[in-house]
Amino acid sequence: SQQGEEDPQALSIQEGENATMNCSYKTSINNLQWYRQNSGRGLVHLILIRSNEREKHSGRLRVTLDTSKKSSSLLITASRAADTASYFCATDSGNTGKLIFGQGTTLQVKP
Amino acid sequence: ETGVTQTPRHLVMGMTNKKSLKCEQHLGHNAMYWYKQSAKKPLELMFVYSLEERVENNSVPSRFSPECPNSSHLFLHLHTLQPEDSALYLCASSHSGSPYVEQYFGPGTRLTVT
Repeated sequence: SQQGEEDPQALSIQEGENATMNCSYKTSINNLQWYRQNSGRGLVHLILIRSNEREKHSGRLRVTLDTSKKSSSLLITASRAADTASYFCATDSGNTGKLIFGQGTTLQVKP
Repeated sequence: ETGVTQTPRHLVMGMTNKKSLKCEQHLGHNAMYWYKQSAKKPLELMFVYSLEERVENNSVPSRFSPECPNSSHLFLHLHTLQPEDSALYLCASSHSGSPYVEQYFGPGTRLTVT
């Protein structure tokens, strides 16, 4: 069953602008993770935020988590053309490592 | 993508063929996963192996048969597939037993069933 739903499905911005992607989920979670996928390739883990955390930073990435609203956002600041990819949120509801992925947001950063 | 390799990268097979996908991880992980990624659909978890034991089988048709001979290798045996099985098949690995695990993915095998 689908857990995470990303919004928007597609986003196109100019280089240097910020990109914000949102993820909503349905059940309680242990942690939420964001992954990036370049076209036709494997996924790359970006950041993990635990259910008791509200915000986390990693380089140009900022992730927030609101468990009361069952939502998360990923902010990429000062975007670059190389950030062009699909971004997925994934939720882990237990200690099994089983992740449920959303449909993803396709980000295009124009040079 | 580093640390998890998949072969072949591309595969075209007929519906009557038998083929196998291979995944190998060099990260010392003890859990491995198969995912199916179809166009415009969320990534679908197919199988999970933890400590070489299958712990998840997500109602996958029997024409897909996984095998995990050791913690570093994972196979997906394919037989009598259907055209709708055409997709990108991704392998991933992680540590098991920790509540906060990230998964490391291979580059995938692009499968086309004709």
